Amino acid sequence: DTAVSQTPKYLVTQMGNDKSIKCEQNLGHDTMYWYKQDSKKFLKIMFSYNNKELIINETVPNRFSPKSPDKAHLNLHINSLELGDSAVYFCASSQDLIRRKLKETQYFGPGTRLLVL
Amino acid sequence: DQQVKQNSPSLSVQEGRISILNCDYTNSMFDYFLWYKKYPAEGPTFLISISSIKDKNEDGRFTVFLNKSAKHLSLHIVPSQPGDSAVYFCAASEDQAGTALIFGKGTTLSVSS
Repeated sequence: DTAVSQTPKYLVTQMGNDKSIKCEQNLGHDTMYWYKQDSKKFLKIMFSYNNKELIINETVPNRFSPKSPDKAHLNLHINSLELGDSAVYFCASSQDLIRRKLKETQYFGPGTRLLVL
Repeated sequence: DQQVKQNSPSLSVQEGRISILNCDYTNSMFDYFLWYKKYPAEGPTFLISISSIKDKNEDGRFTVFLNKSAKHLSLHIVPSQPGDSAVYFCAASEDQAGTALIFGKGTTLSVSS
């Protein structure tokens, strides 16, 4: 039983296309994230949603738009794909982003390998 | 600017020996630190964490040491096993609302038998 799942696992597409990556978690967590791991292997936070509300929105192009239809899903839509968008995108979830006393760990999905040609 | 740095991209260790992975950070507001382990084609998985009020946390073969004055933490694995071969990410966070994890670049550990 996969805790955090992402689809597709691989995505190869042409520049200029619009694509979506889906993420689902069955852990009952309140918070979900999108991270990007670029060619230099840096794993950087892009977005965070808590109970369907946007909490963190790091400096990413507005071509990237997260959408959370419910607490268990956080999808990532990317418009007008560029070569530099090629990376591995990881979805993650945690119980609570803002709980102070108890730090919960984040559970990551397997990643979506995006290649823009 | 890298707030969390793992300066060694790779480390090779023999089975049974100790593996020491290092991590430095620059943000003095970080108060919680984690290590994640990642196998190829999988997402990172949580390994061990430490709060800034402690200087050591141990879980089986894994121990994390924190030196706040030096802004340095290390992960010790002893004894190392071939199954420990993976990429290890150091991560840090602030105990404030809305802060996600800041990751280092990762260190690839290879344990040979």
